[in-house]
Amino acid sequence: LAKTTQPISMDSYEGQEVNITCSHNNIATNDYITWYQQFPSQGPRFIIQGYKTKVTNEVASLFIPADRKSSTLSLPRVSLSDTAVYYCLVGLGNQGGKLIFGQGTELSVKP
Amino acid sequence: DVKVTQSSRYLVKRTGEKVFLECVQDMDHENMFWYRQDPGLGLRLIYFSYDVKMKEKGDIPEGYSVSREKKERFSLILESASTNQTSMYLCASSPPTGNSYEQYFGPGTRLTVT
Repeated sequence: LAKTTQPISMDSYEGQEVNITCSHNNIATNDYITWYQQFPSQGPRFIIQGYKTKVTNEVASLFIPADRKSSTLSLPRVSLSDTAVYYCLVGLGNQGGKLIFGQGTELSVKP
Repeated sequence: DVKVTQSSRYLVKRTGEKVFLECVQDMDHENMFWYRQDPGLGLRLIYFSYDVKMKEKGDIPEGYSVSREKKERFSLILESASTNQTSMYLCASSPPTGNSYEQYFGPGTRLTVT
């Protein structure tokens, strides 16, 4: 099972671009990479998912290099409301296969 | 939108009590999960189910059991609650997509065992 490593915390200021990198050296061939966001006292919320190269949606971009041993979540022009914990998740989802949530990265956005 | 609901937001129980945590999803998802979340430990998978009456152990099943009698409902049972089971419990569901997953979480139940 792929284990992920992320920075424990990051600080940023409003309007800046934030990049959070996740290492997953043991990622399997069929594994996808998924990022979640969690606010205090709430369940995690799906942000973005990818397999290779680059994926972009209305919330974020996900960059995955060719070797897939890491991935970077990019949040453009963050605001105070982006202050949350961000989790990188790697694994398979067929038939509910085991999922691993690491400790996450606590992002603090300051005015 | 997928909606996952949990029976209680806050629950206080005494040591030794039997505790039921209920989770219901309204999107006809096959997969359902129970996690607990503790400070510094992130989310840890307790049990999951990929079909009615099916269950699989996660990483920390000790002290817990589950029940899935209907597709939309997945219950977590603490047979004899202990203080080390004080935690935030999160339920999630997902469709049986191929090699990817996207989970929808409920609001969580904060359980305190005294």
